[in-house]
Formats: sequence, structure tokens, C-alpha cells
Amino acid sequence: QITLKESGPTLVKPTQTLTLTCTFSGFSLSTNGVGVGWIRQPPGKALEWLALIYWDDDKRYSPSLKSRLTITKGTSKNQVVLTMTNMNPVDTATFYCAHRRRSTSGWYFDSWGQGTLVTVSS
Amino acid sequence: DIQMTQSPSSLSASVGDKVTITCRASQSITSYLNWYQQKPGEAPKLLIYAASSLQSGVPSRFSGSGSGTDFTLTISSLQPEDFATYYCEQTYSTLTFGGGTKVQIK
Repeated sequence: QITLKESGPTLVKPTQTLTLTCTFSGFSLSTNGVGVGWIRQPPGKALEWLALIYWDDDKRYSPSLKSRLTITKGTSKNQVVLTMTNMNPVDTATFYCAHRRRSTSGWYFDSWGQGTLVTVSS
Repeated sequence: DIQMTQSPSSLSASVGDKVTITCRASQSITSYLNWYQQKPGEAPKLLIYAASSLQSGVPSRFSGSGSGTDFTLTISSLQPEDFATYYCEQTYSTLTFGGGTKVQIK
């Protein structure tokens, strides 16, 4: 059974850097064809993909946010870390991490964390 | 970047209705299209992957079709637990989510 859980601050100040950790179990990020992604959702709005990291350490970022994002494998083998710089109140959102699996036609997120709400306010 | 446009953005339907949601890509994505369901306060849940493959455990009243630029999610007989927001996702070029379709009770 795959589980994921997001952790990090619930409140950050404008201009600060947000660091979120995704701690997972039930799979290895060293297995071929596996990835972990980060997705955010502002209150009442749609899902927005942020970043992906794959088993081979390939990393992908949303073009619109690429300059502010960094995704890495954590020091612990069952963690993925996302940093987002220069936080702004419009970045207030629930942040999800999710397990990425390869299919016959592309990839999909088949397991998601519960999400963590991050509020940006002074 | 590939843009994904869902329609309608919201709809009202009754239990038992057949519901159809469409997703259009700004360029061909072959069959690289997934559908998710999200209920309030919950994480999204995968329903359909690769345009028409039903995820394990998902009821058979959900089906997906389409290829190229036009895709459809169909709920054959709407159940009370299906009132939610539905998102498409293209994975042809990294990934993009659609804007969502909220299915409300009529």
C-alpha cells in the first residue's frame, strides 16, 4: 500500500522560502518507472502542477514557476523535498505530493497525500 | 505549453442522469490523458488513465474516450457519491491539468 504525507510550515511570510517534505512508504523512488510530483491548489481553484522527480533523478518543473522551484530527493530514501522561493500571498494553497506511475500512454498520479495548507501572510 | 480546456466548468444533474464532461487539448496528445475526481476537502483520486483505462477499484459507470485533441469522461448513471469536481490531465508533454468541472446536485 502506497502512502504519502506532506509536512512543512503552515504559515510563511512574504518573500520567505517555503520548504515542504513528502514522506512516503510502499514504494521505492529507485524503481524504474516511478516518480513523485508536487501539485498545489489555491482555495476554491483548480489543480496546478509544480514539479516532478523521477527514479533516475530526472527533474521537471512548471514553466511558469521554474525559476522559484527546486525538487530533490531527501536525505532519507523515502522523502522528496520541494523548495519554493520568494513566497507571495497569491501562493497560498494546499500543496499535495503524489506517486507517479508510468502507463502504456504516459504517466499518472495514482496515490496522493492528504495535502497541507500553506498560508502566505505577514 | 499544452493547454487543456474543460467544458462545462460546472453542471447540475440528478441522480441517475448520464453525465458527459469534455476536455480539449491545444494540440494532439494522442491518448496521454487522465481523469481525476476530487471531493471537497479531499485529495484528487485517479479515475481513468491513458484516455480510456479504468483505474482499479473505480466503478464501471465511469468511462473515458477520445484521442488526439478531444476527450470525454462519461458517468453512465450519476450516483450521490459522484457529486464532485473532475479534472483532466495531459501527460504528452510533462503535464497540465484542465480547469475542472464541478458536478452539482440539480
